[in-house]
Amino acid sequence: QVQLVESGGGLVKPGGSLRLSCAASGFTFSDYYMSWIRQAPGKGLEWVSYISSSSSYTNYADSVKGRFTISRDNAKNSLYLQMNSLRAEDTAVYYCARDALGAAAGSVDYWGQGTLVTVSS
Amino acid sequence: EIVMTQSPATLSVSPGERATLSCRASQSVSSNLAWYQQKPGQAPRLLIYGASTRATGIPARFSGSGSGTEFTLTISSLQSEDFAVYYCQQYNNWPLFGPGTKVDIK
Repeated sequence: QVQLVESGGGLVKPGGSLRLSCAASGFTFSDYYMSWIRQAPGKGLEWVSYISSSSSYTNYADSVKGRFTISRDNAKNSLYLQMNSLRAEDTAVYYCARDALGAAAGSVDYWGQGTLVTVSS
Repeated sequence: EIVMTQSPATLSVSPGERATLSCRASQSVSSNLAWYQQKPGQAPRLLIYGASTRATGIPARFSGSGSGTEFTLTISSLQSEDFAVYYCQQYNNWPLFGPGTKVDIK
């Protein structure tokens, strides 16, 4: 069965950095676009970034552009999010997500359980 | 930039009743729209994609309709497990979620 397991969240000071990881299993990881989606406490969902199956294409929300970098290692079935220059407003649960149709950033059919990132001094 | 709105913000429904949730895009997103259900402490679950196609394992009481800028999610007969927050999401451009509709017990 499809599993997405995030790790790497935690408490970090404003201006700090954090790297999130997502371990994927149960499907051919290299066939799918993957995304990071976040949810601030008590708030709605915000798409953060997505990456194409071969890493040739990435895109970012304006709110994180220039600070966050998405990457993947298809040999390790892993997705990453490097987060730099973190701000209080980046505090959220970060979900790793698989594109439902595989070939483009569209709807999401599988989500991880989420990892909490808290940015506070 | 596309703006997604959902109405109502909260919908109070009795079990067994029909629920109709609306989602509107500020410009056409064709049929590139999905619906998700989220319960407290859980990740969202995909219900509908392509505006009207049920995702794998989703009960037939959930149906989606619409295209362009106006979309509807209908739950034909609410079950206890359906009380949750529902989000629409467009993927015609940069993926964007609506603010959500909370369906609670009347």
